Amino acid sequence: KNEVEQSPQNLTAQEGEFITINCSYSVGISALHWLQQHPGGGIVSLFMLSSGKKKHGRLIATINIQEKHSSLHITASHPRDSAVYICQETSGSRLTFGEGTQLTVNP
Amino acid sequence: NAGVTQTPKFQVLKTGQSMTLQCAQDMNHEYMSWYRQDPGMGLRLIHYSVGAGITDQGEVPNGYNVSRSTTEDFPLRLLSAAPSQTSVYFCATCPTGSSYEQYFGPGTRLTVT
Repeated sequence: KNEVEQSPQNLTAQEGEFITINCSYSVGISALHWLQQHPGGGIVSLFMLSSGKKKHGRLIATINIQEKHSSLHITASHPRDSAVYICQETSGSRLTFGEGTQLTVNP
Repeated sequence: NAGVTQTPKFQVLKTGQSMTLQCAQDMNHEYMSWYRQDPGMGLRLIHYSVGAGITDQGEVPNGYNVSRSTTEDFPLRLLSAAPSQTSVYFCATCPTGSSYEQYFGPGTRLTVT
């Protein structure tokens, strides 16, 4: 069974700080997703990765297939980035989620 | 496009009652899935479907039934509600297979007393 571990569980930052959230998984995957869940509960997909690196605005996601590790970086963090960030791996038709990282960015 | 819609948004049931959570999508996505989200547990897959007429079990299928008679709809049925099924339920879709970007519905908050 694939386990997906995220760290840290909780993260508090000051506006403008560079943030990193980590995700490790235990078996080979076909894709890794980063999701964002806002305080109102809605979930949106940020990135889908199978290799390398992707960038969207201030968000950067990287994956190292050999080390079974992915990171989500937020540059110049802002209070509107406050949310739960969830790592999700896909292996065939099975999906496994991390427990999420609660990020709070203070002004 | 409405995207992924779920109804109802909130529901309170008594133990033993049955109900159906509705999920509909207008994006012609083949892959649809149901998750439950509980504090400290993350999202867990209940059932999924790779196309009309095809369903399969996820990680926590007990107590739930699904069917997929059309591409658009994927209802989740609770046969006899139990307090352990108190949770927030999310429906999600993908164009083809689970390796693509997922689109989530707004969620249904269910309380079983």
